[in-house]
Amino acid sequence: DAKTTQPNSMESNEEEPVHLPCNHSTISGTDYIHWYRQLPSQGPEYVIHGLTSNVNNRMASLAIAEDRKSSTLILHRATLRDAAVYYCILRDDWDNNDMRFGAGTRLTVKP
Amino acid sequence: NAGVMQNPRHLVRRRGQEARLRCSPMKGHSHVYWYRQLPEEGLKFMVYLQKENIIDESGMPKERFSAEFPKEGPSILRIQQVVRGDSAAYFCASSRTGRSTDTQYFGPGTRLTVL
Repeated sequence: DAKTTQPNSMESNEEEPVHLPCNHSTISGTDYIHWYRQLPSQGPEYVIHGLTSNVNNRMASLAIAEDRKSSTLILHRATLRDAAVYYCILRDDWDNNDMRFGAGTRLTVKP
Repeated sequence: NAGVMQNPRHLVRRRGQEARLRCSPMKGHSHVYWYRQLPEEGLKFMVYLQKENIIDESGMPKERFSAEFPKEGPSILRIQQVVRGDSAAYFCASSRTGRSTDTQYFGPGTRLTVL
C-alpha cells in the first residue's frame, strides 16, 4: 500500500472549521483515499472516501489535490464529539479490503 | 440493522490460558477482518476471512493465534497460551463485499488483559 503522512496532532476550537491534511505522494491511479476516525474507547468509523473529485457527505468534505498527492478532510463546524484520531488510508481498488492504519492525527476540540 | 457485535467487551486471562474473542458481522456481511490495537498505538491488521475461508492472514503472529469464520455462527479469534504482550484491544470489522471501496463497519472491540 502507498504510504500516507499526517500530522500527529491538531487542535481546533468548537464550532470552527477543521482542515486535516494528508500527504500521499506515491499514490497510484487506482488508489482510493479513505478516512476513518476513532473516538475514545470505540472502534473506528468510516468518514468519507474519494478517488479524484471532491466529495461531500453529512459528516465531512474531502478535498483532493489536482495531482492527487495530497488531500484534506474538512469538518465544517467542529464539535466536542469530533475529538478523535483521524486516519487517512489509501486503498487500491484491486486489493483486498483489509486496511493498513497509520498513526493518524489526534484532533483535540476546545470548547 | 444491528451493527457489528463483539463479545466479551472485556476479558481477563492469566498467562498460559486461552482467550476466545467472538465477532458477529452486520447482517448480510460475509467478510470479516480482525485488527489489534496495542495501548497508545494504531490499529494493526491481523486477518481477513470470508465465510469458511481465510483470505489473508499476513498480520497474524505465526504461533498461538488462529481465526475462523464458520458457515454458521460468529467469527472467532483464538489466542492460546496468552502472554502479557497479548494485552490489547481487538477490533473486528465487517463488509458486504471484499472490494476495497466497500466501507468496513467496526465493532466496539474486546479489551484483553493478561495478568
